[in-house]
Amino acid sequence: GEDVEQSLFLSVREGDSSVINCTYTDSSSTYLYWYKQEPGAGLQLLTYIFSNMDMKQDQRLTVLLNKKDKHLSLRIADTQTGDSAIYFCAERVGGYQKVTFGIGTKLQVIP
Amino acid sequence: DTEVTQTPKHLVMGMTNKKSLKCEQHMGHRAMYWYKQKAKKPPELMFVYSYEKLSINESVPSRFSPECPNSSLLNLHLHALQPEDSALYLCASSQDETSVYNEQFFGPGTRLTVL
Repeated sequence: GEDVEQSLFLSVREGDSSVINCTYTDSSSTYLYWYKQEPGAGLQLLTYIFSNMDMKQDQRLTVLLNKKDKHLSLRIADTQTGDSAIYFCAERVGGYQKVTFGIGTKLQVIP
Repeated sequence: DTEVTQTPKHLVMGMTNKKSLKCEQHMGHRAMYWYKQKAKKPPELMFVYSYEKLSINESVPSRFSPECPNSSLLNLHLHALQPEDSALYLCASSQDETSVYNEQFFGPGTRLTVL
């Protein structure tokens, strides 16, 4: 089955690194995504990783994928107050259009 | 234009009202989606349209009726809703179902309150 789990809350100081973790259960997931949602807004895709990759870096964002443990993480370097938002991990299985979202991690950045 | 627009931004309706939510994109995407998001919860998929045909209905009650008049527009018709249907309704679009990457672009949502 499809089930994506995340911790609910993370608080970091401005300038520090943030690491948001996610676990998923469907080993046939093909793409794993990180979305950002600011208050009252829709979701913005931050980055994604294909299931045959271990790591992907995109400016301040680093995604690590451990397929054996079905663990995905998002590291934000030099976290800024503008990074405060809810971060959703999501998985897509095979060729299906359906994307399953985790419950979301609220990131609070303290100035 | 990489934007998905949704109207209205906010909607308050009674349980006997009929209303519609609208979604529009001009990116040439051929797959469009409706999601429902309750407070402090992740988005839950409701419907998927692919090439203007309904391809996924996640067992949504019939008081929600989707419509895709053309490849750029997606509507959600609402009738006889319940207070528990109050939520943020998000529309999204993606290139098409055959796209390997298939990034979904989300609109800002319509905040619906049912009294």
